Amino acid sequence: ILNVEQSPQSLHVQEGDSTNFTCSFPSSNFYALHWYRWETAKSPEALFVMTLNGDEKKKGRISATLNTKEGYSYLYIKGSQPEDSATYLCAFWGGADGLTFGKGTHLIIQP
Amino acid sequence: GAGVSQSPSNKVTEKGKDVELRCDPISGHTALYWYRQSLGQGLEFLIYFQGNSAPDKSGLPSDRFSAERTGGSVSTLTIQRTQQEDSAVYLCASSPERTGGAQAFFGQGTRLTVV
Repeated sequence: ILNVEQSPQSLHVQEGDSTNFTCSFPSSNFYALHWYRWETAKSPEALFVMTLNGDEKKKGRISATLNTKEGYSYLYIKGSQPEDSATYLCAFWGGADGLTFGKGTHLIIQP
Repeated sequence: GAGVSQSPSNKVTEKGKDVELRCDPISGHTALYWYRQSLGQGLEFLIYFQGNSAPDKSGLPSDRFSAERTGGSVSTLTIQRTQQEDSAVYLCASSPERTGGAQAFFGQGTRLTVV
């Protein structure tokens, strides 16, 4: 079982503020790093799939960066809105082990 | 179907009974994953299938848990002699990619309650 760590575990942010959180993963045998958003009472939905060192992806106010050499990825949310409240999961794809998820960062946006 | 389908959506069972959970992945997806989320916990990996074979069974919590996938499509997760600690939401996901370069699509989950 691979070790995928996310920090912080939970985060309270004021509406309008920007925020970021971290995913760390094994730097060896890297294939892909995924980010998912998991809203209450729904299923996780993919935000980004990144495969190359230095990848930067953006979707609206949300963006992500990837450093495979040091084994970390950052997720950024600019100008947080209440609808951004969710658990954000990262997942590491390392080959035979399939897709291993971190425990997530639980984000709460306060109006 | 258009998405990953799981059944039943809810299951209440008595301690000691066997249960079978079903996952119908998106057609053509070779990779299939089972996870579970216990109350207050993160997403726990259970098992991963690539086609019909499961390279990694190390996530299954005990020998009461087994899973199979037939015809590279439908998968069933069986829990024998259920215990209260088995209560959780069991999520299935599928992906078209063999190398992790494509997103996984999740089903709505099966909420299992062992009483």
